[in-house]
Order: sequence, then structure tokens, then C-alpha cells
Amino acid sequence: DGGITQSPKYLFRKEGQNVTLSCEQNLNHDAMYWYRQDPGQGLRLIYYSQIVNDFQKGDIAEGYSVSREKKESFPLTVTSAQKNPTAFYLCASSIRHEQFFGPGTRLTVL
Amino acid sequence: GENVEQHPSTLSVQEGDSAVIKCTYSDSASNYFPWYKQELGKRPQLIIDIRSNVGEKKDQRIAVTLNKTAKHFSLHITETQPEDSAVYFCAASKVGGSYIPTFGRGTSLIVHP
Repeated sequence: DGGITQSPKYLFRKEGQNVTLSCEQNLNHDAMYWYRQDPGQGLRLIYYSQIVNDFQKGDIAEGYSVSREKKESFPLTVTSAQKNPTAFYLCASSIRHEQFFGPGTRLTVL
Repeated sequence: GENVEQHPSTLSVQEGDSAVIKCTYSDSASNYFPWYKQELGKRPQLIIDIRSNVGEKKDQRIAVTLNKTAKHFSLHITETQPEDSAVYFCAASKVGGSYIPTFGRGTSLIVHP
């Protein structure tokens, strides 16, 4: 699982600010995903991308945006429209049916 | 879409006991069922998986069983150890095409020494 990195590890945001979470992988995986994790909620899918320059909304996409300009990178922007953004964010990539997760970013809104 | 229910949400056992976590799924077309372990503050990691053409799979102290008719699958951990303490997630998905797993809500396993 060492091929996926996320930065920063901790992020603090003031209300009304947009922030961008970084996700990079060197596993040559086509598919990448963003999940939000809240206590007792499991992993909820925000966005996913099966190929460069293409991405799809997941179950909770409102207030978030993504881009996939390079195969290795899938950044997530948490916009001011996301009303409750404090959470643990996990990025993942997959080849066929096995997912590999990044170490996560903990976002706190002050 | 797929819906995965996972029970219990919390499981507390004594070291050496067995632990069982159960999941049910709704989409009969799902054919791949992975289990992930997430230690506190760390990333989820795949610990075992099973495909729908197999009823049971074992890896040392961990086993997974699948009942396709009833649409449920279970994780069994024998001879539990304190280092087994973590949150465990099940998932259901279809292999082939876009891989979009649906996760259960997780089970917090606590193993008391």
C-alpha cells in the first residue's frame, strides 16, 4: 500500500474557505476514489475516476469537486458549499478489484 | 443500488476467544466480497476476500464464509489477540466493468488481554 500518498495529514480550515486535498499514486492504477469517513458511518464514496479526464459523482458529492488531469493525481477540493466538512478523508486506487488506500487526511473546520 | 448491512457495530471479546462479524447484501449480482482492517488512525488494509464461486476461504486465524442464497457473508477470527483490535469493514461489489464497492458501516472489535 506504499504507492499512494495523501497530503497534508492534518488540515484546518476556516468556515467559508475552499481547501484542496492531495492524492498521488505511483501504482499505475487507472481507477481512483475519494471517500469520507465519519464515526459509525463507514466509508462513503464522494467521487471516483476510472480514467484520466473523466470522473463520476459518488453518493455524497455535494460540496466537493475533483479533477483528473494526470493518471497519478486525483485532488479533492472541499468547497464552502459543504456544510459539515470535518471528517477523515481517504483516497484509494484500484487495479481490477483490489483497492489500495492512502493514509488519509483529517480535515477540521474551525 | 447495492446496500450492505454490517453487524454488530461493536464487539468486545477476551483474548483467545473467537469473533464473528456478519454482513448482508442486497444485489444478487454482487460477486466479490473483501474485508478490510483499519487500525486506529491508519488506512484500511485488505485482510481477506472471497468470490461468489467459493463458499469459504481461510488464511491462518481468519476465515470468511459466503451464503449466496441468503446473501450474507461473515468474517471469523479465531484465537483473538490484542493486536486484532481494530475496525473491520466488509464490502460487496461486482468484478468486471467499473469497480465500485459498497462498504458496511464497520465493526469495532476490542480484544481484552
